[in-house]
Amino acid sequence: NAGVTQTPKFQVLKTGQSMTLQCAQDMNHEYMSWYRQDPGMGLRLIHYSVGAGITDQGEVPNGYNVSRSTTEDFPLRLLSAAPSQTSVYFCASRPDGSRRGYTFGSGTRLTVV
Amino acid sequence: GENVEQHPSTLSVQEGDSAVIKCTYSDSASNYFPWYKQELGKRPQLIIDIRSNVGEKKDQRIAVTLNKTAKHFSLHITETQPEDSAVYFCAASVGNQFYFGTGTSLTVIP
Repeated sequence: NAGVTQTPKFQVLKTGQSMTLQCAQDMNHEYMSWYRQDPGMGLRLIHYSVGAGITDQGEVPNGYNVSRSTTEDFPLRLLSAAPSQTSVYFCASRPDGSRRGYTFGSGTRLTVV
Repeated sequence: GENVEQHPSTLSVQEGDSAVIKCTYSDSASNYFPWYKQELGKRPQLIIDIRSNVGEKKDQRIAVTLNKTAKHFSLHITETQPEDSAVYFCAASVGNQFYFGTGTSLTVIP
């Protein structure tokens, strides 16, 4: 049981480039989310999904797209990278139901130059 | 949406002393309150949680209390040890979303 797996762990992009951060979980969790973590700002929700085929926006969705074609996978796409997207990105999953905690992936440290 | 405020942002304690971190929330519909510990360079990990129908929960040296009327909840760590040094995040869950506080950096001085 690998839990939540994120790739890559580190990435440097040039402004304007696009890329996809991968996230997979093997716990059959319905809920998956993407957060970004910036110093002094905690964890901010980018997009989330409550099941395959269902996604919704969080607090800071601009510049990012997601899709959820399977229960296991929830990739995050950066459409045209900007320096403001330099951050640590965490994918997380949890079982359905509002009173269950998230399991986080190990994170992706992204730098946009 | 929900607004979670967390205090203090930094906290230093002597080894063996207690540490208390406080959070407030704004949405009375929030019904689940987890706490996460994040060591440097690592992922956040769930350490304890409390549901809205419970006032207090303990797990060895850590405890969480919830005051629904005042809309605040707190993390208590007793007999602190150097390995407790980390950033701690509170969160409140309402509907399908979790809202996180901005974190408390705890340093335990040996």
